[in-house]
Amino acid sequence: NAGVTQTPKFQVLKTGQSMTLQCAQDMNHEYMSWYRQDPGMGLRLIHYSVGAGITDQGEVPNGYNVSRSTTEDFPLRLLSAAPSQTSVYFCASHRIPRTGVNTEAFFGQGTRLTVV
Amino acid sequence: SQQGEEDPQALSIQEGENATMNCSYKTSINNLQWYRQNSGRGLVHLILIRSNEREKHSGRLRVTLDTSKKSSSLLITASRAADTASYFCATVSSDFGNEKLTFGTGTRLTIIP
Repeated sequence: NAGVTQTPKFQVLKTGQSMTLQCAQDMNHEYMSWYRQDPGMGLRLIHYSVGAGITDQGEVPNGYNVSRSTTEDFPLRLLSAAPSQTSVYFCASHRIPRTGVNTEAFFGQGTRLTVV
Repeated sequence: SQQGEEDPQALSIQEGENATMNCSYKTSINNLQWYRQNSGRGLVHLILIRSNEREKHSGRLRVTLDTSKKSSSLLITASRAADTASYFCATVSSDFGNEKLTFGTGTRLTIIP
């Protein structure tokens, strides 16, 4: 049981480049999400999904796209990287409360992204 | 804006003392959770308290929830150097179809040996 697998761990991009951060979970969780963490800002929600084929915007969605074609995978795409997107990115998954089970979230180890 | 706000932002105590962190939130919740983050690592779940619960214990952790005041507290008793980390509260909305997990800004806890 691998939990949440997030790749890559580190990435340097030039302004204007695009890339995809990968996230996969093997716990059959309905809910998956992407956060960015900046110093002093805590975790801010970028996009989330409550199931395959369903995505929604979080607090800071601009400049990012997501899709959820399967329950397991939830990639985050940076369309045209900007220095303001330099951050640490975390993917997380959990069950949703309507199913009546615990909603403890599991996190990937993070991607440290630098845009120069 | 973020759902949760932790207080204090930073806390330094001597090893063996108790540490208390507070969290306030804004909207109706299904549950509230506390997480720990060691420097440069992902978040690790500590404890979950449901909206119909008032207090919960897990080892040296004690969590309280006051839904009328939209606040929670995390108490770590008999602190250890290994407790040095950032602590975040997170809430799961009670809105059907909108069960996103929203985090606060965190409390940075330093345990002085």
